[in-house]
This record gives sequence, C-alpha cells and structure tokens, in this order.
Amino acid sequence: QKEVEQDPGPLSVPEGAIVSLNCTYSNSAFQYFMWYRQYSRKGPELLMYTYSSGNKEDGRFTAQVDKSSKYISLFIRDSQPSDSATYLCAMSQYNFNKFYFGSGTKLNVKP
Amino acid sequence: SAVISQKPSRDICQRGTSLTIQCQVDSQVTMMFWYRQQPGQSLTLIATANQGSEATYESGFVIDKFPISRPNLTFSTLTVSNMSPEDSSIYLCSVRAGLKGAFFGQGTRLTVV
Repeated sequence: QKEVEQDPGPLSVPEGAIVSLNCTYSNSAFQYFMWYRQYSRKGPELLMYTYSSGNKEDGRFTAQVDKSSKYISLFIRDSQPSDSATYLCAMSQYNFNKFYFGSGTKLNVKP
Repeated sequence: SAVISQKPSRDICQRGTSLTIQCQVDSQVTMMFWYRQQPGQSLTLIATANQGSEATYESGFVIDKFPISRPNLTFSTLTVSNMSPEDSSIYLCSVRAGLKGAFFGQGTRLTVV
C-alpha cells in the first residue's frame, strides 16, 4: 500500500466550476500537508500548506485536512482555464526530513 | 520563498555517458533533495544531500549511479552515470522551506538515446 493515494484523473470541468481534489494517506505521523501545482514542463509550485487538521483559505483555494479520516482536500472555486495543471498532494512528518507525494491529479478546465 | 536555478534545463545524451545537473539556491539551506519524475508519474526521491556529509540514498538508488556533491549551503550537483534510456526522466532539485514544505527548481528534462 502506498503511503499517499491520489486519483490520477484526468478531471475535466467547465470554467467556473468548483473543483475538489483529494488524497488519502496511511501514516498517522504526518503533520504537515501541502498542495503543489505543476504545469506541463515545469517544476512543482507550492500552492498551499497546512498543519494538522482544519481548513485554510487563500483566495479561490481552500485546503482541508481531516486527520481522523486521514483525508485531505483542495477546493478550487470559480475555476479558470489557467488552473489546468497537475495537482500533487504532499505530506511530511514533524521533522520535514522527507516528503511523500501523491501521484498527482491532472485537471483540465474548459473555457 | 527560495529561488532555485537548475542547469541544464534539458539535454539529450548518448547511452553510456554521464550528465551532471547543477542546482543553485539563492539562500543557504541545510537540506537539498533530488527527485526523479518519470512521464506522467509522481516524484520519487533519489537522495537527500546535507552539506558536509555523505548524501543519503533512497531504496533503489545507489551512489555509483547517482553521485551527489554538496560543497556548500547553496549548491549541489547530481550526476546520472552510465546512462541508459531508462534514465530518461525529469530530475528535480528541491529545498526545504521552513514549515511551508519544499520549493522546487524547474527541473532538468533528460532524454537518453
């Protein structure tokens, strides 16, 4: 069993839709949770980071962590064609010595 | 946020040769990470490089194949040795960003022919 599971998609939505991206994990020691956006032929870009359970909002993006269910989500409101990219979740234990990545979900927002 | 520069951005190499990838960070960092990302796949950690000590390699990766140097707190190199087509991939340098996670360079797209 992989430590981090993520649906690879692809996920195709119309412009303006609310997008929900999700990851599950098995290691209860994970404390820090991150979301990255990766455009084609580019390196991953840190989008959101959260510590432990709860919600964090940044503009159109909301990151949600449910440690009891070992489940994290990224919501994108009013999605735009420029949001079309691969989204990777990542996690780390308290010491940040290693990051565990999901396989990435490819998102396509249609104009 | 840290700015990470990787060179080269891409290369096409003959099998059996070696390629050294450079990673320069605009600030001093303790830990640098090297990842491989194969087409359509997620990131696989190759090794962690700390300044002043030997790199720590993940299972499946060995120093003879992927030697790493870390001469100071802002620079590291990864060499892909005796390349085969199976080494064709994107290689990414990364640094820890405090409690925010990690920052990545733009990657080196390697094609071995």
